[in-house]
Order: sequence, then structure tokens, then C-alpha cells
Amino acid sequence: DVKVTQSSRYLVKRTGEKVFLECVQDMDHENMFWYRQDPGLGLRLIYFSYDVKMKEKGDIPEGYSVSREKKERFSLILESASTNQTSMYLCASSLVQGYQPQHFGDGTRLSIL
Amino acid sequence: ILNVEQSPQSLHVQEGDSTNFTCSFPSSNFYALHWYRWETAKSPEALFVMTLNGDEKKKGRISATLNTKEGYSYLYIKGSQPEDSATYLCASSNNAGNMLTFGGGTRLMVKP
Repeated sequence: DVKVTQSSRYLVKRTGEKVFLECVQDMDHENMFWYRQDPGLGLRLIYFSYDVKMKEKGDIPEGYSVSREKKERFSLILESASTNQTSMYLCASSLVQGYQPQHFGDGTRLSIL
Repeated sequence: ILNVEQSPQSLHVQEGDSTNFTCSFPSSNFYALHWYRWETAKSPEALFVMTLNGDEKKKGRISATLNTKEGYSYLYIKGSQPEDSATYLCASSNNAGNMLTFGGGTRLMVKP
């Protein structure tokens, strides 16, 4: 079974802090994704990566950056956390083809105070 | 940005009832339609990925159909059980690279 592991289930940080969310997958998938989920808005794509050191902006990249130094690891960085970034963050991975399902981690519920 | 919409937003049914919900998506440049089930405190789990017009897929009591010309997909659950309670997400892609746009989800609650 594919395993996608996110470093924390719950995280509380303060406004202005630099926050790192880590994601690791164990199936050698090319694609990795970061989403946020807010009530009534579904999953919205923040960034995705299709290869090491490659990244593409999703629908809501503002205030975020990402890092993919190794194929199995994809990090989401909140450069200066703000209260409107309080949300559930989900990481996913998949094979490169569009007909392949995405495999998700358990999510990180991030609160910015 | 694709606009993917799901209806209804939420649904309460009794155990044993059959139910269905809808996902609509832009039909132009369609590539694939995904369905996921997301149970509380768990990660979203892939149910189906469909690419062909007229495609129908089945997994136990759950099935899905796809109409790419008019841009909709239906998910059916036969004889709902309490363990079917979850949020059901659909997502569409318009390219081969697996970048998905998700709908807002349908939250299903099955009462015993």
C-alpha cells in the first residue's frame, strides 16, 4: 500500500512565524501535491511538483512556498504565517499520468494564533 | 481554473436507502474524472478514476457513471450503511499531468 506521511496531525503557531509542513511518500511517485481544505470550499491546490526541484503554482500559492530536494519528500513553507492560513493541509502523491489516483496523507490541522 | 460543482452539499439517509449524487465539470478539454471518499479523521481514499464517455465503474455497493459530452458524473450507493457516512469528493483534470480541480464535496450521513 502507498503510504503518505505528514509530519504533524495538529500544529499551533503564532502570526509571523515561519512554518514548515513536511510530507513523505514511499512509492517512488513523480507527482506530489499540497492542498488546503476549508469548509464549503473543497480541496484547493496550493502547489504541486512533478519532479525533484520542479514546482508549479496551483490555484492559491500566495503566502506559500515549497521545496522538493528529494523525490520522496515535499515540504510546504509558510514564509510568515497569518491567521487566514489557519486550515487543514493535505499532501498527496501520484504517478505522473492523469488517470492515476492521488494518494493522500492524514492531513495537518494548522492553527495560526 | 476548472469549475467543478457537486450536489447536494449534504444528504441524510436511513440505513438501507439507496442514494446518488452529482458532479458537474467543464466538458471542454476533459481528461479524467476522479471520485474520492473522505471519512472523518482519515485520509481521502480513491474510489474511481474514469476517462471514457459512457464509462461505468463499480466497487461493491458503490458505482459511478460518466458523461463527458455534457460534463457530469453520478455516484450511486445501493443499500446505504452507516459506514458509508463520509464526504464524497469528485475532481476533474483537463490535462494528462494529473493536476486536479476538486468540487466542494457531498457530505453523506447514514442513520442506523
